[in-house]
Amino acid sequence: GAGVSQSPSNKVTEKGKDVELRCDPISGHTALYWYRQRLGQGLEFLIYFQGNSAPDKSGLPSDRFSAERTGESVSTLTIQRTQQEDSAVYLCASSLEAQGGTQYFGPGTRLLVL
Amino acid sequence: QKEVEQNSGPLSVPEGAIASLNCTYSDRVSQSFFWYRQYSGKSPELIMSIYSNGDKEDGRFTAQLNKASQYVSLLIRDSQPSDSATYLCAVKAPGGYQKVTFGTGTKLQVIP
Repeated sequence: GAGVSQSPSNKVTEKGKDVELRCDPISGHTALYWYRQRLGQGLEFLIYFQGNSAPDKSGLPSDRFSAERTGESVSTLTIQRTQQEDSAVYLCASSLEAQGGTQYFGPGTRLLVL
Repeated sequence: QKEVEQNSGPLSVPEGAIASLNCTYSDRVSQSFFWYRQYSGKSPELIMSIYSNGDKEDGRFTAQLNKASQYVSLLIRDSQPSDSATYLCAVKAPGGYQKVTFGTGTKLQVIP
């Protein structure tokens, strides 16, 4: 594809439900990042995948958050037992080391937990 | 100490003036430096990347890097109201496994 895509673009869920967010990176990009951005706040790093290496999960805020990536393709971010404080925009970005690590961001998924 | 530090602002400049945005970083081995612009409600987009000490110019934008001082800046000449956004500094150490680290961003307001 031409760019990073994310789905759904918007998600409204009830507290306690599980949600799954999807990211399709740019084809061939080996690195993939997930960020959380609360309203009016900066980017909060969640998790980083680089090729076949073990992911850097140091940013995941709790064990309710998990992410998977199959090879160098699609990634899913799962939030279990959602809480109201999980409401935010979840951004995905991909990059290629050969391009110096420049990140290309998707449009984000706006999550609202009622 | 935060890995990448930026003044959150807002930085207010009059239209036509030069806006100067600053960023410091803590990892001395950092090799790649990026400036992203994020409009309200939108995703960040790359403005410039810089890898070597000195200045790099692209239109009205100039990125300046000083590795000895661990300092990177972005100058916007002839600021326009459309430049009003949050500017994010990002830094990366060399090596394929090193992740990019973002600062919290500086909000710029260009006053007509």
